[in-house]
Amino acid sequence: AQKVTQAQTEISVVEKEDVTLDCVYETRDTTYYLFWYKQPPSGELVFLIRRNSFDEQNEISGRYSWNFQKSTSSFNFTITASQVVDSAVYFCALSDRDRDDKIIFGKGTRLHILP
Amino acid sequence: NAGVTQTPKFQVLKTGQSMTLQCAQDMNHEYMSWYRQDPGMGLRLIHYSVGAGITDQGEVPNGYNVSRSTTEDFPLRLLSAAPSQTSVYFCASRPQGRANYGYTFGSGTRLTVV
Repeated sequence: AQKVTQAQTEISVVEKEDVTLDCVYETRDTTYYLFWYKQPPSGELVFLIRRNSFDEQNEISGRYSWNFQKSTSSFNFTITASQVVDSAVYFCALSDRDRDDKIIFGKGTRLHILP
Repeated sequence: NAGVTQTPKFQVLKTGQSMTLQCAQDMNHEYMSWYRQDPGMGLRLIHYSVGAGITDQGEVPNGYNVSRSTTEDFPLRLLSAAPSQTSVYFCASRPQGRANYGYTFGSGTRLTVV
């Protein structure tokens, strides 16, 4: 069975600090996709990234970076120089590559960036 | 281009009533899904579809029905509402087979069952 664990329920950091959100996944599949979504206070869900299990290269997009480590089944998300606008709930998610229509989400991490 | 449209945005039902949550997308996406979001539970998959005429159950399908008669629409039916179905419901869609695409979500329907 597939499972996504986000052990950090809630994190608070002061603006401009770096912060890492942890994501650990379980799957029996050898090929799969990993995702991160952002849900700001307005409530909509915003897609951030999708990572193929074959590609273990780290990804960087502006202040956001993702560290995928197959050996530890982790797909962590780091925000560098955090800003108040980064305050949101962040979800990690997983899908089987062959059934990538079915995406399973973790419970989310609520991130507070304090001014 | 409206994306994924959910109606209504808010709804209050009495226990035992039935209703349909509407979801429509205008992006010609093959894949569509319904999720519910509850405090501390994250997003849980209710039902999903890979195309017109094809649906499948997710993690928490009990009490809900779906159908997919067209590519655009994917309604979620509550047959006999229960207080446990109080939640925020999200519909999502994405194109099949597109690398680096995630689901596009609707703005949600907040449902209260009393």
